[in-house]
Amino acid sequence: GESVGLHLPTLSVQEGDNSIINCAYSNSASDYFIWYKQESGKGPQFIIDIRSNMDKRQGQRVTVLLNKTVKHLSLQIAATQPGDSAVYFCAETGGSNYKLTFGKGTLLTVNP
Amino acid sequence: ETGVTQTPRHLVMGMTNKKSLKCEQHLGHNAMYWYKQSAKKPLELMFVYNFKEQTENNSVPSRFSPECPNSSHLFLHLHTLQPEDSALYLCASSQAGQGNEQFFGPGTRLTVL
Repeated sequence: GESVGLHLPTLSVQEGDNSIINCAYSNSASDYFIWYKQESGKGPQFIIDIRSNMDKRQGQRVTVLLNKTVKHLSLQIAATQPGDSAVYFCAETGGSNYKLTFGKGTLLTVNP
Repeated sequence: ETGVTQTPRHLVMGMTNKKSLKCEQHLGHNAMYWYKQSAKKPLELMFVYNFKEQTENNSVPSRFSPECPNSSHLFLHLHTLQPEDSALYLCASSQAGQGNEQFFGPGTRLTVL
């Protein structure tokens, strides 16, 4: 069935290192993907998105890569900072006009 | 702030109580959503409203009753809940249409005793 899942539930990195968070999806109709960040006690916050006609998109310190061939999405965070510690979710629309399907989430911990 | 507010932020209720969660969005969006977030589970979509009309009920038990009086306000009425309903309830809004991000509120942390 349709699913969006994360390869690793936890990731621990040193401050200043680069972080990579991965996500797999199974719905080939997915054409829009989002990464959200959720800090403790807060709702998910938009980080970056990408449409299926692209394979890479860059933001401020973040890059999202999309590999449609293997249905894989990744979020790269450059020079990870303690403020980046949070749970990161990928989400995809699966061709829907309004629904998002979320992955389980990866907990990123940044060690000073 | 994301422009989506939720009240209350925390709620403790007994199984026989009736309470309501409120969500308000100040972004001019026309779609609103209720999600349930339990520990170690993906976000679960509960209800979707497009232009005040309910377009999705994701097999949610009838003890949860949504209400959308206008495109800016969304309520979730709760009655005779079970302890397993304890979770973070998140509201979100978006501009309906393919490929539009959803903006989330801070959530209501619900504990059912």
